[in-house]
Amino acid sequence: DGGITQSPKYLFRKEGQNVTLSCEQNLNHDAMYWYRQDPGQGLRLIYYSQIVNDFQKGDIAEGYSVSREKKESFPLTVTSAQKNPTAFYLCASTLTWDTEAFFGQGTRLTVV
Amino acid sequence: AQSVTQLDSHVSVSEGTPVLLRCNYSSSYSPSLFWYVQHPNKGLQLLLKYTSAATLVKGINGFEAEFKKSETSFHLTKPSAHMSDAAEYFCVVSSNDKIIFGKGTRLHILP
Repeated sequence: DGGITQSPKYLFRKEGQNVTLSCEQNLNHDAMYWYRQDPGQGLRLIYYSQIVNDFQKGDIAEGYSVSREKKESFPLTVTSAQKNPTAFYLCASTLTWDTEAFFGQGTRLTVV
Repeated sequence: AQSVTQLDSHVSVSEGTPVLLRCNYSSSYSPSLFWYVQHPNKGLQLLLKYTSAATLVKGINGFEAEFKKSETSFHLTKPSAHMSDAAEYFCVVSSNDKIIFGKGTRLHILP
């Protein structure tokens, strides 16, 4: 079955460490997105990519980095520069910008 | 630039009464608009979408939304609320190459 896989579901890291969240899709979608979900804040866009080897900053990109070396993969690195990294992270993909977004199950990151 | 404003963070209605969740948007381009629902500890599910066809859009579970360009609104309605409708609802605008979510409206259903 086609879909988006995020791993791991839960992740714990010590403060000051970088951590990479995985996002893989087999939907053959061109566009992929990373969001952060906090209570009362909705989903805030971190980074997005419309095509391989190209990506754009979203509204809250500081302290994060991404790569898009393959169409099916869009990993997100939460760096030590991110001041408040503990959150729920969602990855999404779309065929084009005006079609339905498909979401992974999310990764809950806790930094202690 | 594009943005989405959901006008109410919480809405409470009695079971069997109408539901209205309000959403206003701004976009430099002709947008596509969506409503998603997120039940507790569940993933996001598409309720309905507007992509420049009919302005009144019907979705799943009896929900519908009307696109009003003059008011830059895309309010979500349902004639009769059910207990299973209790969830968080997100209005989403997609324009050019970005997908932007509103902050969400939590819908409470009173017995």
